Amino acid sequence: GQNIDQPTEMTATEGAIVQINCTYQTSGFNGLFWYQQHAGEAPTFLSYNVLDGLEEKGRFSSFLSRSKGYSYLLLKELQMKDSASYLCAVMDSNYQLIWGAGTKLIIKP
Amino acid sequence: GAVVSQHPSWVICKSGTSVKIECRSLDFQATTMFWYRQFPKQSLMLMATSNEGSKATYEQGVEKDKFLINHASLTLSTLTVTSAHPEDSSFYICSARDPNSNYGYTFGSGTRLTVV
Repeated sequence: GQNIDQPTEMTATEGAIVQINCTYQTSGFNGLFWYQQHAGEAPTFLSYNVLDGLEEKGRFSSFLSRSKGYSYLLLKELQMKDSASYLCAVMDSNYQLIWGAGTKLIIKP
Repeated sequence: GAVVSQHPSWVICKSGTSVKIECRSLDFQATTMFWYRQFPKQSLMLMATSNEGSKATYEQGVEKDKFLINHASLTLSTLTVTSAHPEDSSFYICSARDPNSNYGYTFGSGTRLTVV
C-alpha cells in the first residue's frame, strides 16, 4: 500500500532551527510537496522536490532522497507565526497526491 | 499564481438539509478539481476527483449519492452535501492543478460545515 510517515508533533524555540522528516512508500513518484496549514485554513504551498538534493527558499529548505524515500523540511530562524501543521504529500504514478497526516509544529518563545 | 476561490467559507445547516459548496478557478482552466475533507487534527482525505464534462471519480467509502459533484465548466466545480447529518460536519477543501505550473495544486480557502 501507499504510506507517508511524518511525526505527529514537534516543539521548537523561537529563533531556532527545526527539521521535519517525511518518509514515503508510494506507487511511483512524480514529486514531493510540502504544505503549511494554519488551523482552520487551507494548505499553502511551500516547496516541490522531484530531483534529489536541497532546495532553498528563504528561511525554508526542503531536501529529497528518492533512493531512501525520504524528505525533510528545514525551517530556520523560527518565528511564532511558523506555528502550524506541515503536510508532506507525494504525487504517485497516477499523478494523485498522497498525503501524510501532518506534523503540528509548536513554537515557544 | 493560480487562484481558486471557494464559497462559502463557513455554513451552519440543519440536519436533513442540503448544502452546496462552490469552487472556481479564477485565472486558469481546471479540467480536474479535487475535493477533500478534513476532520479536526487529521490530514486531508480525498473524497473525489471532479472531471469537467464527465462523472466524478469517488474514493472508496465516499457515498456518491450523498456527495454530489458537478463540474459543468472548466472553471467551476460544486459539491453538494445532501441530507446532511452532524457527522458530516467537517472542513471541506477543493483544489485544482494549474496546468502551467509544476507546482500545481492550488487550494481553495475551505468551507467549514457545521450540521446541527
